[in-house]
Amino acid sequence: EADIYQTPRYLVIGTGKKITLECSQTMGHDKMYWYQQDPGMELHLIHYSYGVNSTEKGDLSSESTVSRIRTEHFPLTLESARPSHTSQYLCANQAWGRDEQYFGPGTRLTVT
Amino acid sequence: AQSVTQLDSQVPVFEEAPVELRCNYSSSVSVYLFWYVQYPNQGLQLLLKYLSGSTLVESINGFEAEFNKSQTSFHLRKPSVHISDTAEYFCAVSANFNKFYFGSGTKLNVKP
Repeated sequence: EADIYQTPRYLVIGTGKKITLECSQTMGHDKMYWYQQDPGMELHLIHYSYGVNSTEKGDLSSESTVSRIRTEHFPLTLESARPSHTSQYLCANQAWGRDEQYFGPGTRLTVT
Repeated sequence: AQSVTQLDSQVPVFEEAPVELRCNYSSSVSVYLFWYVQYPNQGLQLLLKYLSGSTLVESINGFEAEFNKSQTSFHLRKPSVHISDTAEYFCAVSANFNKFYFGSGTKLNVKP
């Protein structure tokens, strides 16, 4: 069983603020992903990483950035939050050679 | 690239009734198919998957899905649902286990 955590679970913040959404895991999986989920829409991949110091942008353009300095952590940062960033953000991990992704509970972000 | 369509955003059903959640996909290459389930306040978790072999796959809690290549479908079925099946169900495809493409989800609401 993979343990993957996201903090905060809910965040309401004003426009222009810098925010970092945390994603951490205890299973040592190399692959990690960030998805954006809006009501009634597909989950969109916005960032992924295949290991330390490896990050790539996903299929959906995003103004956010990510880093992967340690295997356990894959934080997502918005330098200046805008109302258009209001969404749910899901973090997932996956082991090499395996077909299953494990998801955190998500962070619901509201930018006012 | 691949895409997934889940036409039904919500499916209400009475307890012990049968249910079918529809999933159609589009891809120019062969894909693997997955159903994930998200219970309230939890992350997505794998329900069942089709990788190869028999086109009918089953989960441990009574769900089944059939891969139909000619119709590019992977519909999820259960002959008799329980209250505890209330959740959101996501269909996903992947060609190589590196990127997954998820549908928009179907909320199954089981009523007593």
